[in-house]
Amino acid sequence: DAGITQSPRHKVTETGTPVTLRCHQTENHRYMYWYRQDPGHGLRLIHYSYGVKDTDKGEVSDGYSVSRSKTEDFLLTLESATSSQTSVYFCAISESSTSGSINEQFFGPGTRLTVL
Amino acid sequence: GENVEQHPSTLSVQEGDSAVIKCTYSDSASNYFPWYKQELGKRPQLIIDIRSNVGEKKDQRIAVTLNKTAKHFSLHITETQPEDSAVYFCGPDNDMRFGAGTRLTVKP
Repeated sequence: DAGITQSPRHKVTETGTPVTLRCHQTENHRYMYWYRQDPGHGLRLIHYSYGVKDTDKGEVSDGYSVSRSKTEDFLLTLESATSSQTSVYFCAISESSTSGSINEQFFGPGTRLTVL
Repeated sequence: GENVEQHPSTLSVQEGDSAVIKCTYSDSASNYFPWYKQELGKRPQLIIDIRSNVGEKKDQRIAVTLNKTAKHFSLHITETQPEDSAVYFCGPDNDMRFGAGTRLTVKP
């Protein structure tokens, strides 16, 4: 597996509390992504980053914010968690190809978040 | 909007049979077509990919074929084995959209 870790791996929290998930890579890849995975929906992009301090929204960004202050770390924050945010969250990294198109993504082990 | 559709959503085959999963995309600018495999409780991992300048790529028992005119690409698994049982995802496309996944079950 590529050098990509996520913390925590499991978290149970209550509605209305803030939650921050961390993704850490040792590959020096430019791109980092946060996905959520729910039954019947596959992987849906929340936010992604194309460099330090450069981020953009994905398909399901409402209720989430991100920050990338260093190449190796990409944080996902739920400002006020809701039960609908109960999910498995995957971080992924990739490097751009020479043609500038997207390339293989390497996924972290995932974080299972439960919001009660 | 742009989307990625994957069919079938579930597929059950007998060991040794072939399996085919199809992915249809709408973004004509897409030029990279990957397939990921996710075993139960594990992370997705790339198993094969193809770029738009080729029509087919093969790696042992798995192959991917691309029809850019019709905007679809397919995953082919031959001589299926129980360890092929997993969820398979196509994508992402240029908008980072994956297909919803196909749960493949290979019965011994």
